[in-house]
Amino acid sequence: AQTVTQSQPEMSVQEAETVTLSCTYDTSESNYYLFWYKQPPSRQMILVIRQEAYKQQNATENRFSVNFQKAAKSFSLKISDSQLGDTAMYFCAFMNRGATNKLIFGTGTLLAVQP
Amino acid sequence: DGGITQSPKYLFRKEGQNVTLSCEQNLNHDAMYWYRQDPGQGLRLIYYSQIVNDFQKGDIAEGYSVSREKKESFPLTVTSAQKNPTAFYLCASRLGPGTTDTQYFGPGTRLTVL
Repeated sequence: AQTVTQSQPEMSVQEAETVTLSCTYDTSESNYYLFWYKQPPSRQMILVIRQEAYKQQNATENRFSVNFQKAAKSFSLKISDSQLGDTAMYFCAFMNRGATNKLIFGTGTLLAVQP
Repeated sequence: DGGITQSPKYLFRKEGQNVTLSCEQNLNHDAMYWYRQDPGQGLRLIYYSQIVNDFQKGDIAEGYSVSREKKESFPLTVTSAQKNPTAFYLCASRLGPGTTDTQYFGPGTRLTVL
């Protein structure tokens, strides 16, 4: 069974600084997707970024980028130029391509951006 | 605007009652999902449906039931058999096979048992 581990329950960063959130996963599959979702205080789950396992190039979305290390089964999220609106719970999620396409989530990292 | 709506935003249930949470999407997505979120935990899959009139149990289906009579609707019933139903419930949808495979979420329903 696949598992996703986020070892940092809480993190804090100063506005305009850079922060990296860690995520590791375990799977024997080779064809899968990885995601970072953001859940602000409104509790709406918002897709931040996604990575397809067969792509070696790390995904980037504006200030958000990932460091995908397939052999190490590591998928960290880097947030550059942190903004107050980035304050949220961040969830790493794994999806095996297949019949169900269900998401398996980590326990989340609560990020606080300080002014 | 296209999107996923969930209602109600807050729901209170007495012991022994069944309640139904609504999830509607106008994105023309084939697949729909129900997740449960508890404090300190990630989301866990309750039920999912890949097509109309078909659905499968997820990891924590006991005490829940669903239906999928229309493509755009996937209601979740929390029955009295669910021992600890107080949680935040999120509905999601995905376009379907051969697509980007990204799930998009609704705003959620907070269920509290009195």
